[in-house]
This record gives sequence, C-alpha cells and structure tokens, in this order.
Amino acid sequence: DAGVTQSPTHLIKTRGQQVTLRCSPKSGHDTVSWYQQALGQGPQFIFQYYEEEERQRGNFPDRFSGHQFPNYSSELNVNALLLGDSALYLCASSLVIRGGDTEAFFGQGTRLTVV
Amino acid sequence: GQSLEQPSEVTAVEGAIVQINCTYQTSGFYGLSWYQQHDGGAPTFLSYNALDGLEETGRFSSFLSRSDSYGYLLLQELQMKDSASYFCAVHGGATNKLIFGTGTLLAVQP
Repeated sequence: DAGVTQSPTHLIKTRGQQVTLRCSPKSGHDTVSWYQQALGQGPQFIFQYYEEEERQRGNFPDRFSGHQFPNYSSELNVNALLLGDSALYLCASSLVIRGGDTEAFFGQGTRLTVV
Repeated sequence: GQSLEQPSEVTAVEGAIVQINCTYQTSGFYGLSWYQQHDGGAPTFLSYNALDGLEETGRFSSFLSRSDSYGYLLLQELQMKDSASYFCAVHGGATNKLIFGTGTLLAVQP
C-alpha cells in the first residue's frame, strides 16, 4: 500500500518564477493538506482540499494556490517566488469520516530552494 | 494569536525515560497530536488525545489536560533511533488543519 507520495523531491527556482508541486494521497484517503516547513520550524498549514474544493486555508498570500483532481491527487502552485518561499513543502492526506478526519499521513516533502 | 510552546532541545541516554511538554494557546481546540520527524523526513504520527488523560501506545504515551492547555509526550526505554524532532500539533477543528509547535530536538546518547 503506497503512502503519500510527492514530486519532485528537490527543486531549485529563481525569484519571480512559478512552481508546481504534486502529491498523491495514501490509498483510500480523500483529503489533502499542504504545509510549509522552514528550516528549524514546525510545519505551517497552507490549505486543505476535499471534494476538489479548498476546504480551509491558512494565513498564506494568494500567490499560493492549489487544485485537487477527481482521483484525489493534488497540486500546489506558487507564483512570483520569493527567497522566503524556500522551505520543505509537505503534503498530508486523511479521510473524512463522521465525527472528524482520520489521522494525517505525511509525504516526504519537496525541498524548494529559491535563488 | 495561536501559539504552542515546546522545549527546543532535550538530551537523554539510552534506556532512560524522557518527557516532552507542550503548552498551547489557540482559538479552537479539538485535540492534540504528536509527530516524530527524522532529519529531512516525513512527520510520522505518534499519538492523539481528544480527552483529558493518558493514551499509551507501546513505548510512547501522551497526556492531555484541557483545563491547563497542556500536554506531554512520554518516551520510555529510549533507543538511539528515537533521536529526532518531536512536534505537538493542535487540531483547530474536526478537520485536519494542524497547528504545529516549534518542535523539540531529542538527542539520545549511548
């Protein structure tokens, strides 16, 4: 049973460029959340997708956008990259059930470096 | 604002017991989770408390006191492989929007 998979694992981009990161959730999961983790910090919630809609959003600018596909996979897009966007981007999947979501399973992340 | 406080670093020896504390101040609270993250790796779920009290899962136990906005993770019979960062995370609601603490780096020494 494949867990959460993310691609690419590493990426280097130039300031001002745009980037797309991809995530496939754990088999059986229908919800995908994205987090940004700066070096030495805890993950920060960006947004969550369920039924192809943005379900919740954290305190991130509109430069951060996403999408969820019918097969539950998801993309994170970041426009107009800034040096401060350099971080590990984590995807987490879970399943919506009555009473609350199941535990979140995380992928290995995409290490984005903006130069 | 929302904040979770954890000690930044803890050092212990193999075979010992260590407790990592977490105090939180959030606008909503649905439960407290603990995650382990090895350097550069994926955070791995360890434990979840929605109600006050102790939850035990093998060598790991987690405690929650909602009245004190406080929880801790207890690791027993420490092994070298337990060296990692440990994060507490508040569930702000029924969804898995997690608010993470800054993490505690645990170093297990022989």
